Amino acid sequence: DTGVSQNPRHKITKRGQNVTFRCDPISEHNRLYWYRQTLGQGPEFLTYFQNEAQLEKSRLLSDRFSAERPKGSFSTLEIQRTEQGDSAMYLCASSLGTGGTQYFGPGTRLLVL
Amino acid sequence: GENVEQHPSTLSVQEGDSAVIKCTYSDSASNYFPWYKQELGKGPQLIIDIRSNVGEKKDQRIAVTLNKTAKHFSLHITETQPEDSAVYFCAATRAGGYSSASKIIFGSGTRLSIRP
Repeated sequence: DTGVSQNPRHKITKRGQNVTFRCDPISEHNRLYWYRQTLGQGPEFLTYFQNEAQLEKSRLLSDRFSAERPKGSFSTLEIQRTEQGDSAMYLCASSLGTGGTQYFGPGTRLLVL
Repeated sequence: GENVEQHPSTLSVQEGDSAVIKCTYSDSASNYFPWYKQELGKGPQLIIDIRSNVGEKKDQRIAVTLNKTAKHFSLHITETQPEDSAVYFCAATRAGGYSSASKIIFGSGTRLSIRP
């Protein structure tokens, strides 16, 4: 399978704990995006990378959120001191160049108790 | 700010009939409009897209139309089948260049149900 992959697919954690998600983009895609989706809503942009450079962060991305793409391939999204409001589906997408077509992974569903 | 409005939020049609979903966008610089289908527990899957230099695009039973002047675009599904049941999202973005505004702005989704 050469699509976007995300791990884990599901994560249950207690409030205050830290969690980390991983995204592996389509091979050779230089752009990688993170989105958050809550029930009944469309995905909302969080941040994106061009190769290893993080070029934009949404105001939705509080100080507790950090994303990295150290070698320009896979990316990690970490949430520190999780809150119940962080419960959502976290989606990763990748694209080649600036053509606009973004391909999404299956998402990581986070539940904060 | 940038916004995409999508209607209706739910749509139920008889199998074999057509379904139409309509969207409007606010950012006049948007030039790429993808449509995504999302099934339960899965990520959004691109089903068709249209760029601003084209007014209409068709792929088998799916067609999209774009009216740049009115900032409207629509998805048309003909001869609907049970497997078309899903949530559909319209979206808008600025594609091309080094602009950091390549993020996709999504509509709120339409839950399409196909009645047998």
